[in-house]
Amino acid sequence: EPEVTQTPSHQVTQMGQEVILRCVPISNHLYFYWYRQILGQKVEFLVSFYNNEISEKSEIFDDQFSVERPDGSNFTLKIRSTKLEDSAMYFCASSEQSGRAREQYFGPGTRLTVT
Amino acid sequence: GENVEQHPSTLSVQEGDSAVIKCTYSDSASNYFPWYKQELGKRPQLIIDIRSNVGEKKDQRIAVTLNKTAKHFSLHITETQPEDSAVYFCAARVPLGGNNDMRFGAGTRLTVKP
Repeated sequence: EPEVTQTPSHQVTQMGQEVILRCVPISNHLYFYWYRQILGQKVEFLVSFYNNEISEKSEIFDDQFSVERPDGSNFTLKIRSTKLEDSAMYFCASSEQSGRAREQYFGPGTRLTVT
Repeated sequence: GENVEQHPSTLSVQEGDSAVIKCTYSDSASNYFPWYKQELGKRPQLIIDIRSNVGEKKDQRIAVTLNKTAKHFSLHITETQPEDSAVYFCAARVPLGGNNDMRFGAGTRLTVKP
């Protein structure tokens, strides 16, 4: 069964550094998402992406965040200048294009630790 | 925007008993309500979902009910087993112009005691 994959599984970075989190969505999916989960807390929506542009973003997704689909398979989340409070698990998800509601499938997550 | 409230935050049951987790949502346009199970350190896994044109859905020991008028939906797990222990998240999705972003509840930590 196809799955969403994410790399790296764990990223440690120093405050102020840039990080890029990578995701490979399921191949026939056309909607892509990033979520964040601070340890012990709920999953929070960051951004959705369709047709090579951001569809919607939450208040968390400020100017230090950006997303890109650099080729036909990867979907990336860049954090320009990391802060301590960016430490969290970041999940990528994807879903099929459809006029009806469709399930979102989550990747295994990247644990980001900012020191 | 959509706001999802989930209760209880923790739930402890004896093996074999039933567990019920409840969620409410605020946006009447929400049309898709999935439930995710998240084991420690792992990704959220979809366990069941319900669409707004359905009132109840069942899959073996798991069922979900939806009351659109009251804007609440519930997860029911019967004959609980220790492996059901996990954090369960409800979510609601509002289809705004083709977008598919979801809002999650705060989660319920379910512990099934053998």
